[in-house]
Amino acid sequence: QSALTQPASVSGSPGQSITISCAGTSSDVGSYNRVSWYQHHPGKAPKLMIYEGSKRPSGVSNRFSGSKSGNTASLTISGLQAEDEADYYCCSYAGSSTWVFGGGTKLTVL
Amino acid sequence: QVQLVQSGAEVKKPGASVKVSCKASGYTFTSYGITWVRQAPGQGLEWMGWISTYNGNTNYAQKLQGRVTMTTDTSTTTAYMELRSLRSDDTAVYYCARIHDFLSGYPLDYWGQGTLVTVSS
Repeated sequence: QSALTQPASVSGSPGQSITISCAGTSSDVGSYNRVSWYQHHPGKAPKLMIYEGSKRPSGVSNRFSGSKSGNTASLTISGLQAEDEADYYCCSYAGSSTWVFGGGTKLTVL
Repeated sequence: QVQLVQSGAEVKKPGASVKVSCKASGYTFTSYGITWVRQAPGQGLEWMGWISTYNGNTNYAQKLQGRVTMTTDTSTTTAYMELRSLRSDDTAVYYCARIHDFLSGYPLDYWGQGTLVTVSS
């Protein structure tokens, strides 16, 4: 199972919006609503931000949204804030009790 | 509240084994699977494998087949991950995470705090 493809880094100024892409295949990202997104601050546990492609867990800001087109999923963060600076990972269930992560994207808030 | 509390940091020599524990609380242990994920220094998250807390079924990442074993003890609501024949590139922070089995795509909704395993001679 190959890793999902994410850009290594993205950046934006406070208040702006950014989008992180996550490219996979028809067996993972493109298959139903299998994508989740995680925020990871160094030294802390990853945090679930989006599941089923576009749903937010309770307590996650509505500035975070997810979408999908074909075999590519996207995470959009609007109204960037300093505390959004972190690494972001997409993850997809790939069937047969197997998961695959993206390589991660470092978000810098300028 | 749901909590996953992992065992402490380990330092091991090449060729040795390590066993990391993950104590779950705040929910019905056997209703949700557990997965293990690791992050080597400067690298991304890597999925290692899955275990059903209901019946003990497992599935491991191909690159770790033969070296990793995941188990659970339902009496103590604890999951374990054992990695054998350790190499320097196994140096990483190891996380356990709960799988939300009732949602599409089985997201990892709660995570342990991580356990640093250092492999060094």
